[in-house]
Amino acid sequence: GEDVEQSLFLSVREGDSSVINCTYTDSSSTYLYWYKQEPGAGLQLLTYIFSNMDMKQDQRLTVLLNKKDKHLSLRIADTQTGDSAIYFCAEIIGWTGGSYIPTFGRGTSLIVHP
Amino acid sequence: NAGVTQTPKFQVLKTGQSMTLQCAQDMNHEYMSWYRQDPGMGLRLIHYSVGAGITDQGEVPNGYNVSRSTTEDFPLRLLSAAPSQTSVYFCASSLMPRDLRYGYTFGSGTRLTVV
Repeated sequence: GEDVEQSLFLSVREGDSSVINCTYTDSSSTYLYWYKQEPGAGLQLLTYIFSNMDMKQDQRLTVLLNKKDKHLSLRIADTQTGDSAIYFCAEIIGWTGGSYIPTFGRGTSLIVHP
Repeated sequence: NAGVTQTPKFQVLKTGQSMTLQCAQDMNHEYMSWYRQDPGMGLRLIHYSVGAGITDQGEVPNGYNVSRSTTEDFPLRLLSAAPSQTSVYFCASSLMPRDLRYGYTFGSGTRLTVV
């Protein structure tokens, strides 16, 4: 089955690093994504990682993928107040038999305080 | 490109009324989906379409209808509104399966209240 899990809340101090974690249960996941949702807005794609990768870095964002433990993490370096938002993890099972319809976690609310 | 456009942004309905939430995209995406977002529940898939003329049910389809007569438009119809349908509705589209790198593009949402 498919189930994506995230912790609901994370609070960090401005300037610190934030690490948002996600676990997924389907080992045939092909693509994994992180989305950001600011208050009153839709979801915005932040980054993705392919299942044949272990790490991906994009400016302040680092994504780590542990396929053995089915664990995905998003690290935000030098967290700013503008990073306060809800972060969603999502997986897509592609290839043969995949629907290409994402399964989303419930979202982690990141609160950044001065 | 305008991306994914949803209208209206806000709507209040009385129980039993019907209405259509509009969704349009100008990116020539084949895949389109409707989600509802409720506090603590994340995103739940209502209906989706993999191309014009093809639709399928998601996790929570009851009380909603969809059709896909063109690639660009994917309206969501509430047949007889109920207070349980009070939610924020998001439409999304994607280049899948042609290119998975860009995930799904989301609209800004429709906030629906049923009284």
